[in-house]
Amino acid sequence: QQQVKQSPQSLIVQKGGISIINCAYENTAFDYFPWYQQFPGKGPALLIAIRPDVSEKKEGRFTISFNKSAKQFSLHIMDSQPGDSATYFCAAHAGNNRKLIWGLGTSLAVNP
Amino acid sequence: DAGVIQSPRHEVTEMGQEVTLRCKPISGHNSLFWYRQTMMRGLELLIYFNNNVPIDDSGMPEDRFSAKMPNASFSTLKIQPSEPRDSAVYFCASSPQLHSNQPQHFGDGTRLSIL
Repeated sequence: QQQVKQSPQSLIVQKGGISIINCAYENTAFDYFPWYQQFPGKGPALLIAIRPDVSEKKEGRFTISFNKSAKQFSLHIMDSQPGDSATYFCAAHAGNNRKLIWGLGTSLAVNP
Repeated sequence: DAGVIQSPRHEVTEMGQEVTLRCKPISGHNSLFWYRQTMMRGLELLIYFNNNVPIDDSGMPEDRFSAKMPNASFSTLKIQPSEPRDSAVYFCASSPQLHSNQPQHFGDGTRLSIL
């Protein structure tokens, strides 16, 4: 059972556009929601993370929007660049349980 | 600082053979995780350790898989005997502390192909 559902599976965006990736979860005990970025041939790397006590977190061109009542969170990449082309994973975990529950990933391609 | 180091980067072997994947976590990190990545199932957590002790191995697919962490700077994931369906990219990750929202730092993975 997929506890974190991620969409879309793939995304193509023009340079300068906005990339939006969505995730939904069921477990209300989740209290930490990171996004990881993975380039081909590399392991995932933490991009940005949010806790449910805030509705938005911004770091440069990357923003997480969090809707606690809807149990949804999303990643927005503003002014998308070809260098942003990668696979993006959302994840979640609860309290002392260090098991990150991962979405299946979104392959993003930014056309020049 | 050196990141998480995995070896080998690529492994091709015939089914039935024993496969050993190696991981050196970041110095000072107390938690270590082994993942498997495939197109069909995405990232799957196989097992994780805290202070060299296995905490949760519920993700280990079957008895053919075993993992050890004899000391704070080394871990192995062994598959014996290997099968074609074990073909995947295996990642090791480490984290500073278990009970905190510290990021997991991943190695570059081992691409395993079982013929």
